[in-house]
Amino acid sequence: QVQLVESGGGLVKPGGSLRLSCAASGFTFSDYYMSWIRQAPGKGLEWISYISSSGNTLYYSDSVKGRFTISRDNAKNSLFLQMNSLRVEDTAVYYCARDLYSDSNVWFDPWGQGILVTVSS
Amino acid sequence: DIQMTQSPSSLSASVGDRVTITCRASQNIRTYLNWYQQKPGKAPNLLIYAASGLKSGVPSRFSGSGSGTDFTLTISSLQPEDFATYYCQQSYTTSSITFGQGTRLEIK
Repeated sequence: QVQLVESGGGLVKPGGSLRLSCAASGFTFSDYYMSWIRQAPGKGLEWISYISSSGNTLYYSDSVKGRFTISRDNAKNSLFLQMNSLRVEDTAVYYCARDLYSDSNVWFDPWGQGILVTVSS
Repeated sequence: DIQMTQSPSSLSASVGDRVTITCRASQNIRTYLNWYQQKPGKAPNLLIYAASGLKSGVPSRFSGSGSGTDFTLTISSLQPEDFATYYCQQSYTTSSITFGQGTRLEIK
């Protein structure tokens, strides 16, 4: 079945770096755009980045632009999020998700189980 | 960014009730509106796409409607497994996708 599994989360100090990975299975990974979405503790959902199927088109939310980098390895069915200059407010559960489209409408299905990133001194 | 406002923020209801959750966009988003269900400690799950499209496998008691700025998610007869938090999401601007703040549906 279609599955996404995140890894690489943990505790990091403010100003530090972390790299998240998302392993995809059960579908042709190279055919799909992918996104990262996060959820701060007790808060709502925030889309932060997406990458096109080829990796040539990238978008970021203003909250992470210039600090986070999304990438993918289609040969290894993997999605990545390099997070630099981390701030306390980046503390959240991070989800990877597959993007589905109709016209220009984009929705996310499925989502990974999520991985916790805690930024604290 | 397009702002998405859900109402109510929380709702108490009983098994068997008909429930409606509203999502309002700060500008016209046509039908670029999707709904998700999230249970505590779990990832969100897609329910409705493009305002009214029911995802395969989602029970038919869930339905979505609306276009432009006003949208609704309706659960026709609440079941125990439906108590969760619901989020709307717009993609009219694909470079700036936004979610509503969520509606928490609790057991009365």
